[in-house]
Amino acid sequence: DVKVTQSSRYLVKRTGEKVFLECVQDMDHENMFWYRQDPGLGLRLIYFSYDVKMKEKGDIPEGYSVSREKKERFSLILESASTNQTSMYLCASSSPRQGVQETQYFGPGTRLLVL
Amino acid sequence: RKEVEQDPGPFNVPEGATVAFNCTYSNSASQSFFWYRQDCRKEPKLLMSVYSSGNEDGRFTAQLNRASQYISLLIRDSKLSDSATYLCVVGVGNYQLIWGAGTKLIIKP
Repeated sequence: DVKVTQSSRYLVKRTGEKVFLECVQDMDHENMFWYRQDPGLGLRLIYFSYDVKMKEKGDIPEGYSVSREKKERFSLILESASTNQTSMYLCASSSPRQGVQETQYFGPGTRLLVL
Repeated sequence: RKEVEQDPGPFNVPEGATVAFNCTYSNSASQSFFWYRQDCRKEPKLLMSVYSSGNEDGRFTAQLNRASQYISLLIRDSKLSDSATYLCVVGVGNYQLIWGAGTKLIIKP
């Protein structure tokens, strides 16, 4: 059974703080993703990584950075948190198949509140 | 126009009824299609992939219409446990998934 874990379920931070969200998967998946989910909107991709030390911008990378030093771990960093970054953050992983998107497995999510 | 559009609902349906959702997508180059289910305050989980020929998994049937660019999900004999938000997801390119905002389903006893 695939397991994706996220470091916190709930987080409260102040504007301007640096925030680290960590994600770990145990299925040796190459691909890892960070999304945010807001009411009335679909999941929006922030960043993804298809290999160690590789990263690609998603649809809304502004205000975020990522780090993938090990295959199983993908970190999302908010350099200076702002109130509009209050959201649910979801990490996912998948195993690639040539030219076809595969099932993504999600962590339980982190609800971040920025005051 | 959103790339993947769904009726947000909620659909209020009595237990045992049949319910269907549609989802439209705008990118004709889309290659893969999925329905995910998301329970309240939980993460999305894959319900089923949608193949060109359509597919069925128990009470759930998914269909793809490439010409009209929509996919559908049919749930027969609905159960209380089917209450959730159903997310339509479309794959484009090698990595990208485009997510709909979801359709909320409430099954009533």
